Amino acid sequence: GESVGLHLPTLSVQEGDNSIINCAYSNSASDYFIWYKQESGKGPQFIIDIRSNMDKRQGQRVTVLLNKTVKHLSLQIAATQPGDSAVYFCAETENTGGFKTIFGAGTRLFVKA
Amino acid sequence: KAGVTQTPRYLIKTRGQQVTLSCSPISGHRSVSWYQQTPGQGLQFLFEYFSETQRNKGNFPGRFSGRQFSNSRSEMNVSTLELGDSALYLCASSRLQGTEQYFGPGTRLTVT
Repeated sequence: GESVGLHLPTLSVQEGDNSIINCAYSNSASDYFIWYKQESGKGPQFIIDIRSNMDKRQGQRVTVLLNKTVKHLSLQIAATQPGDSAVYFCAETENTGGFKTIFGAGTRLFVKA
Repeated sequence: KAGVTQTPRYLIKTRGQQVTLSCSPISGHRSVSWYQQTPGQGLQFLFEYFSETQRNKGNFPGRFSGRQFSNSRSEMNVSTLELGDSALYLCASSRLQGTEQYFGPGTRLTVT
């Protein structure tokens, strides 16, 4: 099966600080990118998405940045809260007639109270 | 609106057996994708269905198959189970292809 990386990095931040989670994607033909949050025992939860014709998109407390030149995606979480503690996945989707979504390895975010 | 539901939630099978997992998408969603999640390999794409047709498939052996019904509900089947098939199998639905996906809680399959 396909996957993007096996290592699960960890980010530890203080409550109230901003968090930045980075992701390198693999396919220059990918045209749709998504960030998901997965809490223990649950399926991934959609956070925010961005299409390849954009370089920034903002949601509530979250911002996604896309740099297609270096194939880099980042998720910024403002005023991080304990409830933000989870594993965060970036995902890229390419339209090949069907849609195939490839997930990154994930980053575990710990929020210290 | 009800979320994506998957049944069963937990399953224990023996090597060599086969298993069928079920997924009911969010009402109105026509695209269903399946993923395998393991600690070692992460989240891996299995296949995507839209309008009862498999539109894309990941790099999994032919033992993994699926289908989608006219009501968008989907099933996946794994035949001749191997120990390495132990994983969390996740189903995700989206309103259209290439739009945000909503995941179910998964089916935890253990092969002994």
